[in-house]
Amino acid sequence: QQKVQQSPESLTVSEGAMASLNCTFSDGTSDNFRWYRQHSGKGLEVLVSIFSDGEKEEGRFTAHLNRASLHVSLHIREPQPSDSAVYLCAMRENAYKVIFGKGTHLHVLP
Amino acid sequence: DMKVTQMPRYLIKRMGENVLLECGQDMSHETMYWYRQDPGLGLQLIYISYDVDSNSEGDIPKGYRVSRKKREHFSLILDSAKTNQTSVYFCASSLGTGTEQFFGPGTRLTVL
Repeated sequence: QQKVQQSPESLTVSEGAMASLNCTFSDGTSDNFRWYRQHSGKGLEVLVSIFSDGEKEEGRFTAHLNRASLHVSLHIREPQPSDSAVYLCAMRENAYKVIFGKGTHLHVLP
Repeated sequence: DMKVTQMPRYLIKRMGENVLLECGQDMSHETMYWYRQDPGLGLQLIYISYDVDSNSEGDIPKGYRVSRKKREHFSLILDSAKTNQTSVYFCASSLGTGTEQFFGPGTRLTVL
C-alpha cells in the first residue's frame, strides 16, 4: 500500500475558483509534511511546509494538517493558469528519507 | 542565488553503454539525493549521500552507483545501461535532517 496517497489524480478548475488537493498518509508519527509543485519538464519547488496540526499559509497556498485523520490538504486561492502543474505531497519518513505521493495534475482554465 | 544544477539535461544512450549524470549545488548542503520519476510511479529514491564518501542505498539502487568526492558534487553512474532505466532523474540537496529538499531541473535519459 502506498504510504502517501493523493487525490484526485486530476483536477480542473476555472481561474479564480478555489482548488483543493488532498493527501492521506499511513504513518501518523511523521511531523514533517510539504507540498511541492512541478511544472511540466521542470524540477520541484516547495510551496508550503507544515510541521504541526492546523493551518499554514504561504501566499495563496494554505496547507491543513490533521495527523489524527492522517490527512493533509492544500488549498490554492484564486488559482491562475500559471498554476497549472503537478502538485506533490511529501511526508518525511525518517531522518533523511522523504516519501512522495504520485501527484495531482491541476489544470486551471482561463 | 541558491540552486541545484544537473548535467546533461537530455541524454540518449544505447543499451549497454555507460551513463554519467552530474549534479551540483552551491549551498554547501551536506545531504544530496538521486531520484527517478516515472509515470504512475512517482518519485523513487535511488541513493542518498550524507556527505563526501558517505552514501547509502535508497529504495531502488540496483543498476546504479554513485560518487561524491566533493560536497558540492554528486554523480549517478549507470554501468551498462538498460532500457528500463529510461526515466527522468532528479537530484536534490538539503541542509540536513528533515529540512527542505531543493531539486534540480532533471535529466531526461532515454536508453535505446
